[in-house]
Amino acid sequence: EAAVTQSPRNKVAVTGGKVTLSCNQTNNHNNMYWYRQDTGHGLRLIHYSYGAGSTEKGDIPDGYKASRPSQENFSLILELATPSQTSVYFCASGFRDSDYTFGSGTRLLVI
Amino acid sequence: GEQVEQLPSILRVQEGSSASINCSYEDSASNYFPWYKQEPGENPKLIIDIRSNMERKQIQELIVLLDKKAKRFSLHITDTQPGDSAMYFCAASAGANTGKLTFGHGTILRVHP
Repeated sequence: EAAVTQSPRNKVAVTGGKVTLSCNQTNNHNNMYWYRQDTGHGLRLIHYSYGAGSTEKGDIPDGYKASRPSQENFSLILELATPSQTSVYFCASGFRDSDYTFGSGTRLLVI
Repeated sequence: GEQVEQLPSILRVQEGSSASINCSYEDSASNYFPWYKQEPGENPKLIIDIRSNMERKQIQELIVLLDKKAKRFSLHITDTQPGDSAMYFCAASAGANTGKLTFGHGTILRVHP
């Protein structure tokens, strides 16, 4: 069954440390997205990709980098984690805007 | 970029009554408007959507309305049940054919028996 799998499910990181969130999709979708979800803000787009080797800045890219080494994998990288990056992160894949499939989310706590 | 406003933030209704959530958007090029339901601890799941070539769409107890002139769209849940209690998000495509969605801030729906 086609799916979007995120790892880890939960992560505790220290301030100033590096954090990598991973996402793998078996939907064969060209597009992949990273969102963060915070109370009162809904889902906000951080980075997205239209295919292997491409990354684009979303609405709130500051403090984050992204990497799309293959069609299946899309990573979100926090080079210097800060407490303000404590959130729930969702990866999604899609062929078009109507084919969004979300992963199960990664709950990140930065202390 | 696109901005989506969603109201109310919290909605409490009695079982069997109707619930309505309203959203507005800014970009007249947006052409796709999905609605997602999110249970606690789960990921958002698409429940119904509408494209700009339609004004109304219904799937069972879910009705979505789109007013392109006013740049507003809404979700109506008829005959609500306790299982409808969840977080609901509206979204709008960020322009035409970008593949990006801009989400509203969400509505917590509580259906009381």
